[in-house]
Amino acid sequence: DGGITQSPKYLFRKEGQNVTLSCEQNLNHDAMYWYRQDPGQGLRLIYYSQIVNDFQKGDIAEGYSVSREKKESFPLTVTSAQKNPTAFYLCACSGAGGWDEQFFGPGTRLTVL
Amino acid sequence: AQSVSQHNHHVILSEAASLELGCNYSYGGTVNLFWYVQYPGQHLQLLLKYFSGDPLVKGIKGFEAEFIKSKFSFNLRKPSVQWSDTAEYFCAVIKDTDKLIFGTGTRLQVFP
Repeated sequence: DGGITQSPKYLFRKEGQNVTLSCEQNLNHDAMYWYRQDPGQGLRLIYYSQIVNDFQKGDIAEGYSVSREKKESFPLTVTSAQKNPTAFYLCACSGAGGWDEQFFGPGTRLTVL
Repeated sequence: AQSVSQHNHHVILSEAASLELGCNYSYGGTVNLFWYVQYPGQHLQLLLKYFSGDPLVKGIKGFEAEFIKSKFSFNLRKPSVQWSDTAEYFCAVIKDTDKLIFGTGTRLQVFP
């Protein structure tokens, strides 16, 4: 059963701690994306990767880091430098070079206390 | 700045009412256009998309959208909404790059 998964669903962290959000896909898609969703602001692109071992900053990359060591995995680290990390984070993948439909995971809600 | 605009932030309708959600973009040239839907507690999923050809595209669950190039618009329509259409709807555009640019979303509430 193909799809894209994110874990955990809910995550709580203390201020000043780094935290890593998991994203895994078994759709064999080359492109993967991380978005941040805030009420009234839609989805904003954090980082994206078109191919293994390569990634680019999106519109709001400051305070975040990613890696793409495997095709199926694209973890996102929210660092202590991110000023407002509490948000809903969505991972997506696409098999057509980013020009076609993106498939989204269920999301991780991060709360920083 | 180039952007995608959804002017209706919150729409409240009764069942069987007609729906039209506006989407305008500010990119020139060729674009790929999408409408995504996020039902409560579910994944964001594709409703419909337009790449080329017939500007009236049909999607899942009776939704359709019309691409009007001269107006830079891609409005979403449904003739008769159901309570199960309650969700948040996002318009999105791809232009030149491989980045999908989303609008701010429209929250639709349908009451029985």
